[in-house]
Amino acid sequence: DADVTQTPRNRITKTGKRIMLECSQTKGHDRMYWYRQDPGLGLRLIYYSFDVKDINKGEISDGYSVSRQAQAKFSLSLESAIPNQTALYFCATRKETGGSDTQYFGPGTRLTVL
Amino acid sequence: AQTVTQSQPEMSVQEAETVTLSCTYDTSESDYYLFWYKQPPSRQMILVIRQEAYKQQNATENRFSVNFQKAAKSFSLKISDSQLGDAAMYFCAYRKDSNYQLIWGAGTKLIIKP
Repeated sequence: DADVTQTPRNRITKTGKRIMLECSQTKGHDRMYWYRQDPGLGLRLIYYSFDVKDINKGEISDGYSVSRQAQAKFSLSLESAIPNQTALYFCATRKETGGSDTQYFGPGTRLTVL
Repeated sequence: AQTVTQSQPEMSVQEAETVTLSCTYDTSESDYYLFWYKQPPSRQMILVIRQEAYKQQNATENRFSVNFQKAAKSFSLKISDSQLGDAAMYFCAYRKDSNYQLIWGAGTKLIIKP
């Protein structure tokens, strides 16, 4: 089974709709991240969380919100989707201390906003 | 602000040959981490290799090695004996310290010719 899972894998929605992307991990890592990937721009950080009570804005948090429901779950919400939020979204995890600083990525969610 | 630049949007190489992907970065820090990630068509981000700036020795992982030139702020990835499975997008990334976010380059698409 995959260590980091994302649901849904693909989603098409309309402008103004509320969308939630979910991420779950079985790695037991404290840190979780949400990234957005656009062609030619690489990855940009939306939000990150060091633990359940510690959530931080990243580079491009406007228009997004997150919820860390448990150590293993980190959700990303678009309260009112707009077309320029069409992108590939990745969740990632990292162990806080004592281990490699490797980030482990989920398979991504392709979101299209019409 | 830190930036990461990958000047080659696309590279191609014959199977079994060697290819080098370029990455330059800008930082005023003396201690930091550099990474190369691979993103195959499956979309998942996979860590290829990492380099700590305080280490003078270039990191190697099997067929993958880096040429880290700290003074020039250059971090290129060499892939030896290219295989069809190496075809992917390759991203260079920088991180200042353990609490800092990853800064990503825009990526290089690597094509392997059989």
